[in-house]
Amino acid sequence: SAVISQKPSRDICQRGTSLTIQCQVDSQVTMMFWYRQQPGQSLTLIATANQGSEATYESGFVIDKFPISRPNLTFSTLTVSNMSPEDSSIYLCSGKQGGDTEAFFGQGTRLTVV
Amino acid sequence: GENVEQHPSTLSVQEGDSAVIKCTYSDSASNYFPWYKQELGKRPQLIIDIRSNVGEKKDQRIAVTLNKTAKHFSLHITETQPEDSAVYFCAASRANAGKSTFGDGTTLTVKP
Repeated sequence: SAVISQKPSRDICQRGTSLTIQCQVDSQVTMMFWYRQQPGQSLTLIATANQGSEATYESGFVIDKFPISRPNLTFSTLTVSNMSPEDSSIYLCSGKQGGDTEAFFGQGTRLTVV
Repeated sequence: GENVEQHPSTLSVQEGDSAVIKCTYSDSASNYFPWYKQELGKRPQLIIDIRSNVGEKKDQRIAVTLNKTAKHFSLHITETQPEDSAVYFCAASRANAGKSTFGDGTTLTVKP
């Protein structure tokens, strides 16, 4: 499987500001996704990052709050905009080669909003 | 959309005992069922997976079974060791739709 490098690994941010998280894959992947994971809980899908077009967002997540870019098959960014303490969580990017293949993950970004 | 339910939420076993975690799914079109292990502060990592054309798969101490008719699949860990202690997630997805739906997770504790 491919290896995803995600950064930053953690950050503490002021409310009202924005943070951009980056994921770089060491080989081309067909699909990339962004998840949120509260400590001790499951992974909640935010959106599917589509190469060269707008991301596909899950219910409850909107582009203005979580803009996503995917300029090529190895790189994607997620921005958490106008942050509030409720946005404090772990954000994970993931890649897959197909619907019926393994998902591999970045190491996660632990975000704390104060 | 797909809904995956996972049980139990916590499981504590003695070292050497077996552990079983069960998941059910709702979308009959799902055909790929992976299991991930997530250690504290680490990323989830695949430990075993099964596709819908197979009923059982085994890899050393770990096995997964799938019942397509009942729409449930299970993870079996035999001869558990303290290093098996982690959170385990099941997931389901379809070949023609890439996103995975995850269960809520099971926290497994193996007591030495």
